[in-house]
Amino acid sequence: ILNVEQSPQSLHVQEGDSTNFTCSFPSSNFYALHWYRWETAKSPEALFVMTLNGDEKKKGRISATLNTKEGYSYLYIKGSQPEDSATYLCAFGIQGAQKLVFGQGTRLTINP
Amino acid sequence: DADVTQTPRNRITKTGKRIMLECSQTKGHDRMYWYRQDPGLGLRLIYYSFDVKDINKGEISDGYSVSRQAQAKFSLSLESAIPNQTALYFCATSRQGVDTQYFGPGTRLTVL
Repeated sequence: ILNVEQSPQSLHVQEGDSTNFTCSFPSSNFYALHWYRWETAKSPEALFVMTLNGDEKKKGRISATLNTKEGYSYLYIKGSQPEDSATYLCAFGIQGAQKLVFGQGTRLTINP
Repeated sequence: DADVTQTPRNRITKTGKRIMLECSQTKGHDRMYWYRQDPGLGLRLIYYSFDVKDINKGEISDGYSVSRQAQAKFSLSLESAIPNQTALYFCATSRQGVDTQYFGPGTRLTVL
Protein backbone atom coordinates (compact mmCIF):
# COMPACT_ATOMS: atom_id res chain seq x y z
CA ILE A 1 0.00 0.00 0.00
CA LEU A 2 1.44 3.34 -1.06
CA ASN A 3 1.79 5.89 1.69
CA VAL A 4 1.53 9.61 1.01
CA GLU A 5 2.12 11.72 4.10
CA GLN A 6 1.40 15.40 4.53
CA SER A 7 2.66 17.54 7.36
CA PRO A 8 1.56 19.28 9.34
CA GLN A 9 -2.05 18.10 9.52
CA SER A 10 -3.19 21.59 10.42
CA LEU A 11 -1.63 25.00 10.49
CA HIS A 12 -2.69 28.42 11.74
CA VAL A 13 -0.90 31.38 10.17
CA GLN A 14 -1.25 35.09 10.70
CA GLU A 15 -2.43 37.12 7.72
CA GLY A 16 0.54 38.45 5.80
CA ASP A 17 2.92 35.72 6.95
CA SER A 18 4.39 33.19 4.57
CA THR A 19 4.10 29.48 5.16
CA ASN A 20 4.93 26.12 3.68
CA PHE A 21 4.02 22.49 4.14
CA THR A 22 5.23 19.14 2.96
CA CYS A 23 4.07 16.11 1.01
CA SER A 24 6.17 12.93 1.27
CA PHE A 25 5.76 10.06 -1.16
CA PRO A 26 7.60 6.92 -2.30
CA SER A 27 10.63 7.85 -4.40
CA SER A 28 10.46 4.78 -6.65
CA ASN A 29 8.35 4.50 -9.83
CA PHE A 30 7.42 8.15 -9.70
CA TYR A 31 5.14 9.51 -12.41
CA ALA A 32 3.48 12.69 -11.15
CA LEU A 33 2.74 14.72 -8.04
CA HIS A 34 -0.41 16.80 -7.83
CA TRP A 35 -1.47 19.56 -5.45
CA TYR A 36 -5.13 20.37 -4.92
CA ARG A 37 -6.80 23.14 -2.99
CA TRP A 38 -10.00 22.25 -1.19
CA GLU A 39 -12.13 24.99 0.32
CA THR A 40 -14.82 24.19 2.85
CA ALA A 41 -18.15 23.27 1.21
CA LYS A 42 -16.54 23.07 -2.21
CA SER A 43 -14.80 20.35 -4.18
CA PRO A 44 -11.03 19.94 -4.54
CA GLU A 45 -9.52 21.97 -7.36
CA ALA A 46 -6.20 21.29 -9.04
CA LEU A 47 -3.36 23.70 -8.32
CA PHE A 48 -0.31 22.07 -9.85
CA VAL A 49 0.93 18.89 -11.42
CA MET A 50 4.66 18.21 -11.50
CA THR A 51 6.42 15.38 -13.24
CA LEU A 52 10.16 16.13 -13.29
CA ASN A 53 12.65 16.22 -10.44
CA GLY A 54 13.40 19.84 -9.67
CA ASP A 55 10.12 21.10 -11.12
CA GLU A 56 8.88 24.35 -9.68
CA LYS A 57 5.42 25.69 -10.38
CA LYS A 58 3.90 29.03 -9.41
CA LYS A 59 0.41 30.49 -9.43
CA GLY A 60 0.21 33.94 -7.92
CA ARG A 61 1.43 33.76 -4.33
CA ILE A 62 1.44 29.96 -4.27
CA SER A 63 4.35 27.90 -5.50
CA ALA A 64 5.47 24.29 -5.29
CA THR A 65 8.71 22.38 -5.66
CA LEU A 66 9.40 18.73 -6.33
CA ASN A 67 12.21 16.40 -5.30
CA THR A 68 11.55 12.94 -6.73
CA LYS A 69 14.89 11.48 -5.61
CA GLU A 70 14.11 11.98 -1.94
CA GLY A 71 10.33 11.79 -2.32
CA TYR A 72 8.97 15.13 -1.19
CA SER A 73 7.24 18.23 -2.44
CA TYR A 74 6.81 21.59 -0.73
CA LEU A 75 3.93 23.99 -1.17
CA TYR A 76 4.68 27.62 -0.34
CA ILE A 77 2.25 30.47 0.22
CA LYS A 78 3.71 33.94 0.31
CA GLY A 79 1.91 36.72 2.20
CA SER A 80 -1.04 34.59 3.34
CA GLN A 81 -4.51 36.02 2.90
CA PRO A 82 -7.77 34.87 4.52
CA GLU A 83 -8.92 33.45 1.18
CA ASP A 84 -5.98 31.02 1.32
CA SER A 85 -7.72 29.18 4.15
CA ALA A 86 -8.39 25.69 2.81
CA THR A 87 -7.20 22.11 2.97
CA TYR A 88 -4.30 21.45 0.63
CA LEU A 89 -4.10 17.90 -0.71
CA CYS A 90 -1.24 16.27 -2.50
CA ALA A 91 -1.67 13.19 -4.67
CA PHE A 92 0.96 10.81 -5.96
CA GLY A 93 0.79 9.06 -9.31
CA ILE A 94 2.90 5.96 -9.80
CA GLN A 95 4.22 4.83 -13.15
CA GLY A 96 1.95 2.25 -14.74
CA ALA A 97 -0.86 2.77 -12.25
CA GLN A 98 -4.22 4.10 -13.21
CA LYS A 99 -5.05 6.12 -10.14
CA LEU A 100 -3.74 8.70 -7.71
CA VAL A 101 -3.04 8.16 -4.03
CA PHE A 102 -4.02 11.15 -1.91
CA GLY A 103 -2.45 12.37 1.28
CA GLN A 104 -4.67 13.26 4.22
CA GLY A 105 -4.24 16.98 3.63
CA THR A 106 -2.93 20.02 5.47
CA ARG A 107 -5.69 22.22 6.80
CA LEU A 108 -4.54 25.85 6.65
CA THR A 109 -6.30 28.60 8.57
CA ILE A 110 -5.29 32.22 8.05
CA ASN A 111 -6.01 34.42 11.05
CA PRO A 112 -6.87 38.05 10.19
CA ASP B 1 -22.74 24.50 -15.95
CA ALA B 2 -20.59 22.23 -13.81
CA ASP B 3 -18.52 19.65 -15.65
CA VAL B 4 -19.00 17.00 -12.95
CA THR B 5 -22.33 16.79 -11.15
CA GLN B 6 -23.48 14.60 -8.29
CA THR B 7 -26.96 13.79 -7.04
CA PRO B 8 -28.18 13.99 -4.39
CA ARG B 9 -26.07 16.61 -2.64
CA ASN B 10 -27.29 15.59 0.78
CA ARG B 11 -28.99 12.42 1.92
CA ILE B 12 -30.09 11.05 5.25
CA THR B 13 -31.04 7.39 5.33
CA LYS B 14 -31.53 4.60 7.80
CA THR B 15 -29.44 1.53 8.51
CA GLY B 16 -30.22 -1.28 6.10
CA LYS B 17 -31.58 0.89 3.31
CA ARG B 18 -30.27 0.70 -0.23
CA ILE B 19 -29.05 3.98 -1.60
CA MET B 20 -27.58 5.11 -4.91
CA LEU B 21 -25.37 8.11 -5.51
CA GLU B 22 -25.11 9.31 -9.08
CA CYS B 23 -22.37 11.09 -10.96
CA SER B 24 -22.46 12.62 -14.43
CA GLN B 25 -19.73 14.37 -16.37
CA THR B 26 -19.53 16.43 -19.53
CA LYS B 27 -15.74 16.46 -19.81
CA GLY B 28 -15.62 13.47 -22.14
CA HIS B 29 -13.21 11.64 -19.83
CA ASP B 30 -12.96 7.88 -19.80
CA ARG B 31 -11.73 7.58 -16.22
CA MET B 32 -14.17 8.03 -13.35
CA TYR B 33 -13.66 7.56 -9.62
CA TRP B 34 -15.59 7.40 -6.38
CA TYR B 35 -13.95 8.56 -3.15
CA ARG B 36 -15.10 8.97 0.39
CA GLN B 37 -13.75 11.58 2.74
CA ASP B 38 -13.72 11.21 6.49
CA PRO B 39 -12.25 13.78 8.86
CA GLY B 40 -8.50 13.33 9.20
CA LEU B 41 -8.34 10.61 6.57
CA GLY B 42 -8.21 12.52 3.30
CA LEU B 43 -9.73 10.99 0.17
CA ARG B 44 -9.95 7.21 0.00
CA LEU B 45 -10.69 5.46 -3.27
CA ILE B 46 -13.76 3.22 -3.34
CA TYR B 47 -14.01 2.21 -7.01
CA TYR B 48 -12.68 3.44 -10.31
CA SER B 49 -13.54 2.80 -13.93
CA PHE B 50 -11.51 3.10 -17.12
CA ASP B 51 -14.54 2.76 -19.39
CA VAL B 52 -17.99 1.21 -19.37
CA LYS B 53 -16.55 -2.32 -19.44
CA ASP B 54 -13.75 -1.85 -16.93
CA ILE B 55 -14.49 -1.47 -13.22
CA ASN B 56 -11.88 -1.77 -10.49
CA LYS B 57 -11.98 -1.92 -6.73
CA GLY B 58 -10.21 0.73 -4.74
CA GLU B 59 -8.85 0.48 -1.23
CA ILE B 60 -12.22 0.49 0.57
CA SER B 61 -14.73 -1.21 -1.75
CA ASP B 62 -16.40 -3.49 0.83
CA GLY B 63 -20.06 -2.59 1.27
CA TYR B 64 -20.20 -0.66 -2.01
CA SER B 65 -20.95 -1.48 -5.63
CA VAL B 66 -20.81 0.62 -8.78
CA SER B 67 -22.31 0.78 -12.24
CA ARG B 68 -20.86 2.56 -15.27
CA GLN B 69 -23.97 3.09 -17.36
CA ALA B 70 -22.25 5.18 -20.01
CA GLN B 71 -19.03 7.07 -20.49
CA ALA B 72 -20.65 10.03 -18.76
CA LYS B 73 -22.33 8.25 -15.84
CA PHE B 74 -20.92 6.37 -12.86
CA SER B 75 -23.16 5.38 -9.95
CA LEU B 76 -22.21 4.24 -6.47
CA SER B 77 -24.57 2.00 -4.49
CA LEU B 78 -24.71 1.07 -0.85
CA GLU B 79 -26.72 -2.16 -0.83
CA SER B 80 -27.42 -2.07 2.89
CA ALA B 81 -26.25 1.16 4.44
CA ILE B 82 -24.58 1.15 7.85
CA PRO B 83 -23.73 4.10 10.12
CA ASN B 84 -19.96 3.95 9.47
CA GLN B 85 -20.70 4.74 5.84
CA THR B 86 -21.65 8.22 6.95
CA ALA B 87 -19.21 10.40 5.02
CA LEU B 88 -18.72 12.90 2.24
CA TYR B 89 -18.58 11.17 -1.14
CA PHE B 90 -16.86 12.62 -4.17
CA CYS B 91 -16.96 11.58 -7.78
CA ALA B 92 -14.05 12.57 -10.01
CA THR B 93 -12.99 12.19 -13.63
CA SER B 94 -9.69 12.28 -15.49
CA ARG B 95 -8.40 11.84 -18.98
CA GLN B 96 -5.75 9.33 -17.96
CA GLY B 97 -5.18 7.49 -14.71
CA VAL B 98 -2.53 9.81 -13.28
CA ASP B 99 -3.75 13.03 -14.87
CA THR B 100 -5.44 15.87 -13.04
CA GLN B 101 -8.75 14.78 -11.58
CA TYR B 102 -11.85 16.94 -11.70
CA PHE B 103 -14.19 16.60 -8.78
CA GLY B 104 -17.90 16.86 -8.39
CA PRO B 105 -19.45 18.94 -5.59
CA GLY B 106 -19.76 15.98 -3.24
CA THR B 107 -22.64 14.14 -1.60
CA ARG B 108 -22.98 14.27 2.15
CA LEU B 109 -24.48 10.99 3.29
CA THR B 110 -25.71 10.33 6.80
CA VAL B 111 -26.75 6.83 7.84
CA LEU B 112 -28.74 6.74 11.04
